[in-house]
Amino acid sequence: DQQVKQNSPSLSVQEGRISILNCDYTNSMFDYFLWYKKYPAEGPTFLISISSIKDKNEDGRFTVFLNKSAKHLSLHIVPSQPGDSAVYFCAARTTGDMRFGAGTRLTVKP
Amino acid sequence: NAGVMQNPRHLVRRRGQEARLRCSPMKGHSHVYWYRQLPEEGLKFMVYLQKENIIDESGMPKERFSAEFPKEGPSILRIQQVVRGDSAAYFCASSPGQGARSYGYTFGSGTRLTVV
Repeated sequence: DQQVKQNSPSLSVQEGRISILNCDYTNSMFDYFLWYKKYPAEGPTFLISISSIKDKNEDGRFTVFLNKSAKHLSLHIVPSQPGDSAVYFCAARTTGDMRFGAGTRLTVKP
Repeated sequence: NAGVMQNPRHLVRRRGQEARLRCSPMKGHSHVYWYRQLPEEGLKFMVYLQKENIIDESGMPKERFSAEFPKEGPSILRIQQVVRGDSAAYFCASSPGQGARSYGYTFGSGTRLTVV
């Protein structure tokens, strides 16, 4: 059961431009949504989260938007930097464990 | 304890052998989660444990896989009679508990299991 979906396996953007990573979910019981960043040979690291009662959360260059009616969230990175190149996982949780999407590989070109 | 510690980092097993993966959670964390990442795929939930209790094992294969988190010592993910399809990266994560849901888990660096 794929409750969290990231339909774009990869994304390439130019340095300085905006990166937009998308995520869809099916379970309306999710109450927190999170984004993780993963470099090769390392574990995922937490990036930013949003509660289901909000529609936007901003932290520096990173902003997460939540559209509950569409069951869709997105991560905006602006301006994008080469160091942002990594795999980004969308995740969602209820009272128990967390479910992850398949990830989107972001490449930021200098 | 600087973070979630997993060992070994790399593990090679022949088909039919047993694999034991260890995870020591962050200090103060009492919840442990195991995830598996197959090549070119995302993170798949396996099991959620608290000390001496399995809370949710809905992602665990029904056979050959087991997990424990004893009162003392690390959490262990055990795979018996490994097959080539078990080759993957296995990640452990920990959290302080339900109250920390907003910031998620802290992950270890993973154990890469290769079955030859």
